[in-house]
Amino acid sequence: QVQLVQSGAEVKKPGASVKVSCKASGYTFIGYYIHWVRQAPGQGLEWMGWINPNIGATDYAQKFQGRVTMTRDTSISTTYMELTRMTSDDTAVYYCARGTSGSYHAAFDSWGQGTLVSVSS
Amino acid sequence: EIVLTQSPGTLSLSPGERATLSCRANQSVSSNYLAWYQQKPGQAPRLLIYGASSRATGIPDRFSGSGSGTDFTLTISRLEPEDFAVYYCQQYGSSPWTFGQGTKVEIK
Repeated sequence: QVQLVQSGAEVKKPGASVKVSCKASGYTFIGYYIHWVRQAPGQGLEWMGWINPNIGATDYAQKFQGRVTMTRDTSISTTYMELTRMTSDDTAVYYCARGTSGSYHAAFDSWGQGTLVSVSS
Repeated sequence: EIVLTQSPGTLSLSPGERATLSCRANQSVSSNYLAWYQQKPGQAPRLLIYGASSRATGIPDRFSGSGSGTDFTLTISRLEPEDFAVYYCQQYGSSPWTFGQGTKVEIK
């Protein structure tokens, strides 16, 4: 079965960076886009961007341009999301999610368990 | 950016009742690329509906989606105890993909 397993919770100081991983299994890794979505405490869902694991192409939400980088390692079926220059506003649960088809125009049919990133001095 | 507005913010209903949730976009959603998700506390969202009206794998037929253009609806025909949760709509036709703010369906 399709599974996305994310790395564990992180605590960071303001100004620091975080790199969250998302390991895929149960399907052909390079065949489906991976998206990253975050959710601040008690708030709604916010899309951050996607990566095409086949060619490494990315698209980021304007809000995160210059601060976010999504990469992948096809040898271990893992994608990464790195966020730099974090502030307390970046405290959130970060999810990876798989698109339902091989296009970036796809809903998200499988989600990781979420990674809590806390930013505090 | 496409802004999605969900209404109502909270829906108080009893098990067995019908739930009707609305999602309105400030501009047309390309190719009806509109999805609905259910989220329970402490859990990741779960895909219910994609393409405005197609049920995802394993989703019971009491969940249905309809609409096109700028107005979309999620209907739960008869609420089961496990359906009380927060529901989000999402458009994935125009970057940035965006979500509505959510509708909480609570037990009356």
